[in-house]
Amino acid sequence: SQQGEEDPQALSIQEGENATMNCSYKTSINNLQWYRQNSGRGLVHLILIRSNEREKHSGRLRVTLDTSKKSSSLLITASRAADTASYFCATVLTGGGNKLTFGTGTQLKVEL
Amino acid sequence: NAGVTQTPKFQVLKTGQSMTLQCAQDMNHEYMSWYRQDPGMGLRLIHYSVGAGITDQGEVPNGYNVSRSTTEDFPLRLLSAAPSQTSVYFCASSLGQFNEKLFFGSGTQLSVL
Repeated sequence: SQQGEEDPQALSIQEGENATMNCSYKTSINNLQWYRQNSGRGLVHLILIRSNEREKHSGRLRVTLDTSKKSSSLLITASRAADTASYFCATVLTGGGNKLTFGTGTQLKVEL
Repeated sequence: NAGVTQTPKFQVLKTGQSMTLQCAQDMNHEYMSWYRQDPGMGLRLIHYSVGAGITDQGEVPNGYNVSRSTTEDFPLRLLSAAPSQTSVYFCASSLGQFNEKLFFGSGTQLSVL
């Protein structure tokens, strides 16, 4: 079964707007990671947030983690057409070894 | 650095045929893994390895074999391909086995007829 579920499944915005994607998971985690996948390509790591962290920034990306709600959000500010991609959250479970479990992804389309 | 290299990029098999998907990394990463990606399912872990000579099963290991004779290479073998194995396969590696970010290859698109 899927550990992470992203919401929404698809998101379409205009260039310059902010994009927010959410991820919910089911069990305790060590860390949560966000990846980007451009069409027909492999995944690229964006950001990692540990279970004892609440917020992390990287450039135009802001990730929050709420372990009490078992949820995370990825905010992309001032979006660009090049941000068009699928975004996946992935979790490393507490006591679950070192395996990443991926969600089903959010397809983001940024229009000019 | 080439990073994680997967070959072939595309492959068409007939049911019952066997083949090996190749994966190599030049970053001296200890941890390597194979995922399959199906529409609406996200990525699911097939097998992984925490170092040369050590492999273990992931979420969906049936129908696949792996071995890790060197740090650099982690091939995935399909012994008798089935239509259910039609998917996009990704190899990924990381520096260490604990909670490190993954570096992905560009994928192999496999169709089993």
